[in-house]
Amino acid sequence: DAMVIQNPRYQVTQFGKPVTLSCSQTLNHNVMYWYQQKSSQAPKLLFHYYDKDFNNEADTPDNFQSRRPNTSFCFLDIRSPGLGDAAMYLCATSRDIFGGGASTDTQYFGPGTRLTVL
Amino acid sequence: AQSVSQHNHHVILSEAASLELGCNYSYGGTVNLFWYVQYPGQHLQLLLKYFSGDPLVKGIKGFEAEFIKSKFSFNLRKPSVQWSDTAEYFCAVTPRGNNRLAFGKGNQVVVIP
Repeated sequence: DAMVIQNPRYQVTQFGKPVTLSCSQTLNHNVMYWYQQKSSQAPKLLFHYYDKDFNNEADTPDNFQSRRPNTSFCFLDIRSPGLGDAAMYLCATSRDIFGGGASTDTQYFGPGTRLTVL
Repeated sequence: AQSVSQHNHHVILSEAASLELGCNYSYGGTVNLFWYVQYPGQHLQLLLKYFSGDPLVKGIKGFEAEFIKSKFSFNLRKPSVQWSDTAEYFCAVTPRGNNRLAFGKGNQVVVIP
């Protein structure tokens, strides 16, 4: 089945040690998103790619970066993880990003990667 | 920026009971509204959405939601829940013209057989 895949499902890293989370999709969607969800909080958009165009949310810390080498893959890099970065990281995709109501704007989510920082 | 409020984070009810989850948003312009559901161990998936037209929207699995513009609300309802409706439910909003979702904190719903 076409889907959004995130690897690994669980990631443990040490304080300050760079970590990369991976997302891939078989939907051939133009847009890929990264959300951060801390415990008992709402998922929060970090950034998204529309094709190769990167769009950072204004309040996303500089510690978080992203790469999209091709349509199928998108990576979240945390350069120096702190204890406060422990969270579930969700990847999502959509065909379009126009927000006009079309079904092509619907976002499809992956299962998430739970990051623990020791 | 838009924001979303969901109350009663934990809801416990028996099978066949009715469910209503409140959602209020804050944004000055036109919005698109969504309810997502996350079943235990699964990913977020779209339950229903509202963009325009009839403010009463019907989604999958017998769920419906009503958009009341004057109250900035988009409450989710199901007349008779089943054990399989045990899940976390998230309300979300995007401003019309972009696709950046703002989520509420979610409602953890447990249905007791």
